[in-house]
Amino acid sequence: DAGVIQSPRHEVTEMGQEVTLRCKPISGHDYLFWYRQTMMRGLELLIYFNNNVPIDDSGMPEDRFSAKMPNASFSNLKIQPSEPRDSAVYFCASSPPGDHTDTQYFGPGTRLTVL
Amino acid sequence: GENVEQHPSTLSVQEGDSAVIKCTYSDSASNYFPWYKQELGKRPQLIIDIRSNVGEKKDQRIAVTLNKTAKHFSLHITETQPEDSAVYFCAASMGRQLTFGSGTQLTVLP
Repeated sequence: DAGVIQSPRHEVTEMGQEVTLRCKPISGHDYLFWYRQTMMRGLELLIYFNNNVPIDDSGMPEDRFSAKMPNASFSNLKIQPSEPRDSAVYFCASSPPGDHTDTQYFGPGTRLTVL
Repeated sequence: GENVEQHPSTLSVQEGDSAVIKCTYSDSASNYFPWYKQELGKRPQLIIDIRSNVGEKKDQRIAVTLNKTAKHFSLHITETQPEDSAVYFCAASMGRQLTFGSGTQLTVLP
């Protein structure tokens, strides 16, 4: 398996622009997580899905952030409008169904820079 | 919600020595405790995990211990090597939602 796939790997944009980050989970995994990593705040869970349904979005910083999972193979995280403080590495992770299968497998991340 | 504290934030050891990283958690309902290693510019990768029905788990040079009563767990790395240098994160969860510690930058000096 190719593992969790994220695109783009790097994104540089200007303040006010819309940013879309994409994730393809590992095939057969039914949980998908979006994290943000910064030096100041560490690894923060933004939102997670189970069977394509958002379960907890309490970590989404504000209304500028939205995430969808239209099918089991794809999720996107949008920021509109983007701000410099959104600059961070955004990771997507997935985990398989079942009990005692909590392990989360991380994608390579998207490094976002908002100028 | 869950709160995980991790210490120390930085740790330097001589090659061949042992390293210990400690974490405490707040929610007694947490039952899954993974440890992730993150090299510079890379993704976090699971190195070992433990569940609340187990007190200790070992995998070659890495071991994790869990004290449910005190709500703390520790990562032990023996015979450290330069390639062990990385940031290590502990995490705790009940269900699927992981709460991460703030990370420990481990440097193994040759």
